[in-house]
Amino acid sequence: NAGVTQTPKFQVLKTGQSMTLQCAQDMNHEYMSWYRQDPGMGLRLIHYSVGAGITDQGEVPNGYNVSRSTTEDFPLRLLSAAPSQTSVYFCASSPTTTGNTIYFGEGSWLTVV
Amino acid sequence: QQQVKQSPQSLIVQKGGIPIINCAYENTAFDYFPWYQQFPGKGPALLIAIRPDVSEKKEGRFTISFNKSAKQFSLHIMDSQPGDSATYFCAASGDTGNQFYFGTGTSLTVIP
Repeated sequence: NAGVTQTPKFQVLKTGQSMTLQCAQDMNHEYMSWYRQDPGMGLRLIHYSVGAGITDQGEVPNGYNVSRSTTEDFPLRLLSAAPSQTSVYFCASSPTTTGNTIYFGEGSWLTVV
Repeated sequence: QQQVKQSPQSLIVQKGGIPIINCAYENTAFDYFPWYQQFPGKGPALLIAIRPDVSEKKEGRFTISFNKSAKQFSLHIMDSQPGDSATYFCAASGDTGNQFYFGTGTSLTVIP
């Protein structure tokens, strides 16, 4: 049972490049989300999805796109990378709505130069 | 606007001490308050959680104290060990959906 799997673990991008962070879960969870973690800022929600075909914005969605074509996968796309997007990104999933444990992946360290 | 305010930012205690991390919230719609533990290079993992119908919950050496009227909750770690050194996040969620709001984190160091 792999849980929540994120790739890549580390990535360096040049300003203006685009890339996709991959996230997959094998727990058949309906809810998936992406957070970014920055020093002193905690974990901030970027985008989330309550099921296949449904996505919505979180606190800090600008510069990011998501899609949810299957229950298992929830990729995060950086459209035109900026140094302000240098961060650690965590994908998470949970089985249903409020009050359930959310399970995090191990993180993707992104540096934009 | 920070939905959940956490303090202190960092904490250093001796082995056996009882570190206390505090969190406060404003939104009375929140009804689930988990604490997450994160080790370097890893994702956060659920440690313990509480709902507002109880004032305290204990799991092993970890205790959450909850004060509904003050809209505050705290994490106590009894008999702390060097292996407890990690970053701790409080969080809150409510009936607005699956959005969890996290505190800014507390870096705990337990000195042997």
